[in-house]
Amino acid sequence: AQSVTQLGSHVSVSEGALVLLRCNYSSSVPPYLFWYVQYPNQGLQLLLKYTTGATLVKGINGFEAEFKKSETSFHLTKPSAHMSDAAEYFCAVRGGGYQKVTFGIGTKLQVIP
Amino acid sequence: NAGVTQTPKFRVLKTGQSMTLLCAQDMNHEYMYWYRQDPGMGLRLIHYSVGEGTTAKGEVPDGYNVSRLKKQNFLLGLESAAPSQTSVYFCASSYLSRVDTEAFFGQGTRLTVV
Repeated sequence: AQSVTQLGSHVSVSEGALVLLRCNYSSSVPPYLFWYVQYPNQGLQLLLKYTTGATLVKGINGFEAEFKKSETSFHLTKPSAHMSDAAEYFCAVRGGGYQKVTFGIGTKLQVIP
Repeated sequence: NAGVTQTPKFRVLKTGQSMTLLCAQDMNHEYMYWYRQDPGMGLRLIHYSVGEGTTAKGEVPDGYNVSRLKKQNFLLGLESAAPSQTSVYFCASSYLSRVDTEAFFGQGTRLTVV
């Protein structure tokens, strides 16, 4: 079985401040991990993913995430928030074999001018 | 490169009416999914399919039916719409065996049941 927990359904940061969105996963096999972003009235698009290899993954728009197996975490960060980063962010996990993708509940990011 | 296409984009139904949402993908994906998204509840899986002719229930299947007659299409049916089915519906698809690849999403269907 696999699952994802996103801590904090709403996060507010000031423009220019660090963005940290938390994601913890559970998987019985080595996981593949994803972060998606959803802008208002749009579908979800991939921000970044961890498959194998380097544990620090860089994505689009300056975001990155670090896979920490010991902590079963895959937190999303960005050094300096922009107004355009205001969106909802979803963490997702997929175990090996024929597992389907499982999504977290999402975190809405508000950026305050 | 169309990706995942959902039809229609918007729909208003009266309680008790039926309708079918169509999802089409051109990436030869085996997995297809239907989700609903409601404020504060994230994405909830309704039904999914691992291939042509196969379907399975997700977290919230009641009141919905699905069919996968062709690999590229996944239909979501509402037999007798209820106001509780007012939501935004998303279709997604992914590879079965290429587990390191992501799911691709359609743009969503906004359904209102009055």
